Amino acid sequence: AQSVSQHNHHVILSEAASLELGCNYSYGGTVNLFWYVQYPGQHLQLLLKYFSGDPLVKGIKGFEAEFIKSKFSFNLRKPSVQWSDTAEYFCAVNKYGGATNKLIFGTGTLLAVQP
Amino acid sequence: DADVTQTPRNRITKTGKRIMLECSQTKGHDRMYWYRQDPGLGLRLIYYSFDVKDINKGEISDGYSVSRQAQAKFSLSLESAIPNQTALYFCATSSVEREETQYFGPGTRLLVL
Repeated sequence: AQSVSQHNHHVILSEAASLELGCNYSYGGTVNLFWYVQYPGQHLQLLLKYFSGDPLVKGIKGFEAEFIKSKFSFNLRKPSVQWSDTAEYFCAVNKYGGATNKLIFGTGTLLAVQP
Repeated sequence: DADVTQTPRNRITKTGKRIMLECSQTKGHDRMYWYRQDPGLGLRLIYYSFDVKDINKGEISDGYSVSRQAQAKFSLSLESAIPNQTALYFCATSSVEREETQYFGPGTRLLVL
């Protein structure tokens, strides 16, 4: 079965530090990949997505992610975090072209940015 | 996302009570989903519906039922609530297009005593 692993459950950074959150998935076929963000007390919002083309995807608020097919990875990065980036980040995968659109979510990474 | 609304936003109920959570969307999407979020477990799919006549179980459907009253409305029911159903519940929608991005509602925080 498909699964998504986010190895960092909690990350604490100081402002201006660089961020990289890991995401690995288990499905061997063609996939669509997503990063969602959940700010404290709010709902999930789409940060960025990859379907095809350039494996380096740029999203909102200075975030980017790189799809490395050989490593089954889709890591999220930001060169310099801000206090307002404090949130929980979820990686998600679904099967491209499948009959269903079932997103499989990782367990999330809670990021705390200290001012 | 203001296009996906959920009611109530917060609810406290007692064990054994029946409770319904409602979701409405104005995005015109045909696909709707119910997830629950638990700390450390991420989001898990409860039920999903691809149109009014199509209802499917997700990975954790036991203890829940759903109703797709119209394209824009998808309700989740707990027939007899139990404490381990205490969680944050999210509704989501998507359309039948290649990108199939899901858009989430604001969530309903449910506490079962």
